Amino acid sequence: AQSVTQPDIHITVSEGASLELRCNYSYGATPYLFWYVQSPGQGLQLLLKYFSGDTLVQGIKGFEAEFKRSQSSFNLRKPSVHWSDAAEYFCALPLPGNTPLVFGKGTRLSVIA
Amino acid sequence: DAGITQSPRHKVTETGTPVTLRCHQTENHRYMYWYRQDPGHGLRLIHYSYGVKDTDKGEVSDGYSVSRSKTEDFLLTLESATSSQTSVYFCAISEWGSGQNYGYTFGSGTRLTVV
Repeated sequence: AQSVTQPDIHITVSEGASLELRCNYSYGATPYLFWYVQSPGQGLQLLLKYFSGDTLVQGIKGFEAEFKRSQSSFNLRKPSVHWSDAAEYFCALPLPGNTPLVFGKGTRLSVIA
Repeated sequence: DAGITQSPRHKVTETGTPVTLRCHQTENHRYMYWYRQDPGHGLRLIHYSYGVKDTDKGEVSDGYSVSRSKTEDFLLTLESATSSQTSVYFCAISEWGSGQNYGYTFGSGTRLTVV
């Protein structure tokens, strides 16, 4: 069955350090893939998406993600983390057909000085 | 975002009482969704709608019903609330079912506590 896995429940990074959040998927074909961010007490906001073509996609807030078919991964990266990036991050993909998104369980990011 | 609003934002209710949560959109999007968010579970789909009076179940639909009589409104009803339904409920909208063009737009959530 199609699914998305975020192996890391919680990650702590220092401000200014680089960040990589992992997302692995199980899917029979090339999927659509999404990253969303949720700040405390807020709804989710779309960071970036991958449909096809260039495997490195740029998003908002300085984030990027790389689709790697061989590793079934779509990891989110940022070269230098800011304290305001502290939030929960969700990877998502749709099931086959024009169907609702399935979300990973999320990775909570803490940023320390 | 102003395009989607959820009401109420917070609610405390007693076990066994009916509860209705409302999602209202001004974007004229075809698709609307109800998710619940619980620690350790991420977001799980309850029900979704792909048009007026067209709805379908998600992975955690037991104990919930929905209705969509107008494009702009999608109601989620807990017929008889239980403590296991204490959660944060999010509504989302999209033009396409998988949100492939612009992704989903989420509401700010409703925090429901069943005591």
